[in-house]
Amino acid sequence: DIQLTQSPSFLSASVGDRVTITCRASQGISSYLAWYQQKPGKAPKLLIYAASTLQSGVPSRFSGSGSGTEFTLTISSLQPEDFATYYCQQLNSYPVTFGQGTRLEIK
Amino acid sequence: QLQLQESGPGLVKPSETLSLTCTVSGGSISSSSYYWGWIRQPPGKGLEWIGSIYYSGSTYYNPSLKSRVTISVDTSKNQFSLKLSSVTAADTAVYYCARHNTVVISFDYWGQGTLVTVSS
Repeated sequence: DIQLTQSPSFLSASVGDRVTITCRASQGISSYLAWYQQKPGKAPKLLIYAASTLQSGVPSRFSGSGSGTEFTLTISSLQPEDFATYYCQQLNSYPVTFGQGTRLEIK
Repeated sequence: QLQLQESGPGLVKPSETLSLTCTVSGGSISSSSYYWGWIRQPPGKGLEWIGSIYYSGSTYYNPSLKSRVTISVDTSKNQFSLKLSSVTAADTAVYYCARHNTVVISFDYWGQGTLVTVSS
């Protein structure tokens, strides 16, 4: 199985900050990586697919980059509604796997 | 707008079989570009992919659950289903169904999730 390790696991930031979350894969996954946002009691929401393509309707302050084994999700200017947990997911090979999550909280 | 809705018992006894159904509306489950998947999330923990099915019945399962999982599809009802046998307390989780898009390679539509508790 391909392991995904996110860092940090917990992040405290302020509105307006720029934040970056990293996702490292245990082996190369090309660009078959997606990012999701999950708020308490809600289903995950797709933000980015193919490592860097923004899903329709997602604000442009979200961006993704990377390929191979290292990927990043960047939020350019945090808004109050962005405080949530973020997960990366690889779809290069089965079984599909997720990172452990990064909890983003208000400082 | 595509919608997915999970349904099934919220309480299952240990050693019994968990059964859930996902009803898809606003689109056809028989579309060639999509698989249909199940994902679960134990309380306070991360996401675990259980498996995915194509409308033809072709399946992929997580090896960690494969011996206990069956996913099936009913195209006439636009539904797909999950059965997980021999459940224990460790199977207590919110279970989500989702569209596994093979073009926009991701899970792009999700149900709201349903909590299944395993307890006697």
